[in-house]
Amino acid sequence: GQSLEQPSEVTAVEGAIVQINCTYQTSGFYGLSWYQQHDGGAPTFLSYNALDGLEETGRFSSFLSRSDSYGYLLLQELQMKDSASYFCAVRNQNGANNLFFGTGTRLTVIP
Amino acid sequence: DAMVIQNPRYQVTQFGKPVTLSCSQTLNHNVMYWYQQKSSQAPKLLFHYYDKDFNNEADTPDNFQSRRPNTSFCFLDIRSPGLGDAAMYLCATSRRTDPYEQYFGPGTRLTVT
Repeated sequence: GQSLEQPSEVTAVEGAIVQINCTYQTSGFYGLSWYQQHDGGAPTFLSYNALDGLEETGRFSSFLSRSDSYGYLLLQELQMKDSASYFCAVRNQNGANNLFFGTGTRLTVIP
Repeated sequence: DAMVIQNPRYQVTQFGKPVTLSCSQTLNHNVMYWYQQKSSQAPKLLFHYYDKDFNNEADTPDNFQSRRPNTSFCFLDIRSPGLGDAAMYLCATSRRTDPYEQYFGPGTRLTVT
């Protein structure tokens, strides 16, 4: 089978930096995506890593280590609006055009 | 703006009464997906279409069916909704070459009474 593990909850202070980890187990790994979902909203694509290393997009960065089956999402200069759930997702092991989502990390940003 | 649209946003149905949820897209993406998401859980893929090719997930109940009459539209049919089917249903699209970057609609929240 396949699995992704994320912390269920993280709390951080406005203006700070927070890292959300994701460890995965899957066959035929192709890459790791990250999505943000606000309460009552739809998931929104944030980033994708196919190769090892860090990808930066504004305040958000994502990292992948294929040898460690590990990735993380880094959020800098936290804002209150960053309070949301964050999901990592890997391509399904059957190689089809779909994603398997992790259980999600609920981030709460406090003043 | 190109987007994914779902109707209705909220749907109430009775136990056992068939219901259809709709999704349309203006992105001209090859792939369309249907997910079920329950409270505080990850989206769970039900099935997806690659163009007209239908791909069902192994654990998707037979109670769930889908139709894609053309590139722009996709429907989710729940033949006999049970109380356990109450959830948010999300439609998403992607380019064939980039399944990692999916574009989601706002979802339809289904209530079963």
